[in-house]
Amino acid sequence: EIVLTQSPGTLSLSPGERATLSCRASQSVSSSYLAWYQQKPGQAPRLLIYGASSRATGIPDRFSGSGSGTDFTLTISRLEPEDFAVYYCQQYGSSLTFGPGTKVDIK
Amino acid sequence: QLQLQESGPGLVKPSETLSLTCTVSGGSISSSSYYWGWIRQPPGKGLEWIGSIYYSGSTYYNPSLKSRVTISVDTSKNQFSLKLSSVTAADTAVYYCARREGGGGMDVWGQGTTVTVSS
Repeated sequence: EIVLTQSPGTLSLSPGERATLSCRASQSVSSSYLAWYQQKPGQAPRLLIYGASSRATGIPDRFSGSGSGTDFTLTISRLEPEDFAVYYCQQYGSSLTFGPGTKVDIK
Repeated sequence: QLQLQESGPGLVKPSETLSLTCTVSGGSISSSSYYWGWIRQPPGKGLEWIGSIYYSGSTYYNPSLKSRVTISVDTSKNQFSLKLSSVTAADTAVYYCARREGGGGMDVWGQGTTVTVSS
């Protein structure tokens, strides 16, 4: 089973700042089958990025994904008030697993 | 616009079987290249994939839950279902159903349903 580790656990930033979230896999994720989700309290997760770097439909271009193999990054170029949430990475190249999440909160 | 809706009992007794259904509207569950899956989230914790069923009927389960999980599809009702046997308090969670396109992420989610395991 591929285990995903996300860092940091919590990221405290101000609106307008850049957020960089990391997701590391215990083994290589085939075909860059890595997705990122945003979840707000009381809501279902929302798909942001799939295939490591492709934005899902309707996702603003301030969200970008990069990486391959075992190291992946989600970048939010300028945080908007609605971006403060928990972010999960997920690999679907070998079975399917989620990372533990990174909480982005307001500094 | 495709929508998913979970339904089922909100309270299940320990050792019994949890049964949930996800109803698909605005599209066909038989559409090629889609996986239909279940994900859960215990209170205050992260997401855990339970399993998925491919449009062809093939099933895939989380190894840690495999012995207790069955996912099936009813194309006539445009629904897919989850059965989780021998439940304990550790199975208390919000249960989500979701769609995933082959090669893509889970792009459509239900709103989630809370299931509590308690006597």
